Amino acid sequence: NAGVTQTPKFRVLKTGQSMTLLCAQDMNHEYMYWYRQDPGMGLRLIHYSVGEGTTAKGEVPDGYNVSRLKKQNFLLGLESAAPSQTSVYFCASSSTTSIAGGGLKNIQYFGAGTRLSVL
Amino acid sequence: AQSVTQPDIHITVSEGASLELRCNYSYGATPYLFWYVQSPGQGLQLLLKYFSGDTLVQGIKGFEAEFKRSQSSFNLRKPSVHWSDAAEYFCAVYGQNFVFGPGTRLSVLP
Repeated sequence: NAGVTQTPKFRVLKTGQSMTLLCAQDMNHEYMYWYRQDPGMGLRLIHYSVGEGTTAKGEVPDGYNVSRLKKQNFLLGLESAAPSQTSVYFCASSSTTSIAGGGLKNIQYFGAGTRLSVL
Repeated sequence: AQSVTQPDIHITVSEGASLELRCNYSYGATPYLFWYVQSPGQGLQLLLKYFSGDTLVQGIKGFEAEFKRSQSSFNLRKPSVHWSDAAEYFCAVYGQNFVFGPGTRLSVLP
């Protein structure tokens, strides 16, 4: 069971180039997320999706676009890369289930990350 | 709005010593709380979670955490640290969405 798989693992871009990061999950999760991780800032949510065909902005969406054409895949695109987008990108997926007493539990599972450098 | 603070950027402990990593959150209702661990070059692995019920939760690798509503805290503890526990630890809260703290880096001295 692969869980959450991110490709590529590493990438170097020149300023202005475009690229797409792919996230695939095999757990049939409804929710998927893209984060970036920068030193001293933890993980910041870029975009997320609550289901196939839906996307929503997170905390730091500018400069990124996403698509969720299939439930198992969540793509993160950079149309014109900038040095400020040098970071480690993590994808996560989750599914909600009911818990006793009401409410929903939601646990995220993470990919191994993509290290992106923009020169 | 949700927020998470981890007051300690870096903690160093000796192997065998006890450990407590602090986490404070801000959220208007009872949140769901998580601790994740990240080893160098790796993704995040879930250590433990709190949804409801017993405020002391047990996780993997001998970790536990206690939810204290009055202090808006969810501190992570381990009675005896092993060298392999050296990593970065992230506290997270789920209310309207997931919000992560900035992380605490743990170093372990032999």
